[in-house]
Amino acid sequence: DAKTTQPPSMDCAEGRAANLPCNHSTISGNEYVYWYRQIHSQGPQYIIHGLKNNETNEMASLIITEDRKSSTLILPHATLRDTAVYYCIVRVAHPGAGSYQLTFGKGTKLSVIP
Amino acid sequence: SAVISQKPSRDICQRGTSLTIQCQVDSQVTMMFWYRQQPGQSLTLIATANQGSEATYESGFVIDKFPISRPNLTFSTLTVSNMSPEDSSIYLCSAGARAYEQYFGPGTRLTVT
Repeated sequence: DAKTTQPPSMDCAEGRAANLPCNHSTISGNEYVYWYRQIHSQGPQYIIHGLKNNETNEMASLIITEDRKSSTLILPHATLRDTAVYYCIVRVAHPGAGSYQLTFGKGTKLSVIP
Repeated sequence: SAVISQKPSRDICQRGTSLTIQCQVDSQVTMMFWYRQQPGQSLTLIATANQGSEATYESGFVIDKFPISRPNLTFSTLTVSNMSPEDSSIYLCSAGARAYEQYFGPGTRLTVT
């Protein structure tokens, strides 16, 4: 799986958009970008994933650059409950042998400030 | 979606003893995994729990130390054997029926004294 690089921490004002970047310059053509987050004292939570098109769901938007070497997770209106560590993970969707394990990096600690 | 529960939620154990952690999923899932999260660190995959066969361990983790069972498609256990203070961590179970979406349990916080 491709390696990802994320800033260790970010701050965002409550109510503003939080834009979390992720670099994955060695991504392969069959690798997806996944985002998970981990709120303090909880297990990680799936947010969104994408291959090459921009994606949006009820939680967030994912913008992937045309060359797929980087992406940005956007939380449109951050709340205090969005304070968490956000993990960007790159991996194939169907790696064979039915194995779907995730490799977590250090992630970005997002602090939403009142 | 899947809801995952773990027991116990936390425990304090003495060095040299063993603890078995249970993971229950509210629906049948293809894959179940066990992760460890040491204090202030990210998650590290311990093993894939395979239904009806031996677990698949990641580098650095061995069956004698972390025996895993998965008797059916909704339940798995992880045992932390012969514990030492270095085993103090949060142990998390995850499950997924799809490649792109996994669900995690709340974790078991283990302290070894």
